[in-house]
Amino acid sequence: SAVISQKPSRDICQRGTSLTIQCQVDSQVTMMFWYRQQPGQSLTLIATANQGSEATYESGFVIDKFPISRPNLTFSTLTVSNMSPEDSSIYLCSVGRRGIGELFFGEGSRLTVL
Amino acid sequence: EDQVTQSPEALRLQEGESSSLNCSYTVSGLRGLFWYRQDPGKGPEFLFTLYSAGEEKEKERLKATLTKKESFLHITAPKPEDSATYLCAVQATGGGADGLTFGKGTHLIIQP
Repeated sequence: SAVISQKPSRDICQRGTSLTIQCQVDSQVTMMFWYRQQPGQSLTLIATANQGSEATYESGFVIDKFPISRPNLTFSTLTVSNMSPEDSSIYLCSVGRRGIGELFFGEGSRLTVL
Repeated sequence: EDQVTQSPEALRLQEGESSSLNCSYTVSGLRGLFWYRQDPGKGPEFLFTLYSAGEEKEKERLKATLTKKESFLHITAPKPEDSATYLCAVQATGGGADGLTFGKGTHLIIQP
């Protein structure tokens, strides 16, 4: 398994501001993903973070709102831009190695937008 | 579009009372079906991956099975510490995305 660290674990932000969430893994992984879990809901895939290239976004999510970086095989960031109260959610980083059917999750970053 | 439906939404059992959680799925091609456990305020904890119909995997009091249309998570003689939300997810073949499509989960409560 992989040890995944997310920062911050929680934050309270003002409407209109942006927040960057970091995901650090203790070993190299081929796959990294970002998910959103809205209150009382299940997980929704935001995007696949691609190392050295632009992220692949799912329907309903756009780069201007959720820019993602992945400079290497152990680190990624997700920015939530121009936040509104509807962005209040838990954001989770998930990692795995291609060909090995295990995908692990970080503890999540709980974001509250006022 | 890939879809995952879990039932029941919530289940309350007495300690030692065995039961099963259901996950039905619709996917163009199945690469893997995943089960996770999620405790309040935590990220999902990986339990199992199943790849083909007929496959079974076990871990302690949990056993996961897979058919072409659904998966079951059987819980045998559960204990209060098994209380959690159990999530099912699928990973589809084809396309560019390897991410998972999740169901809404089954909230399981085991009463002492």
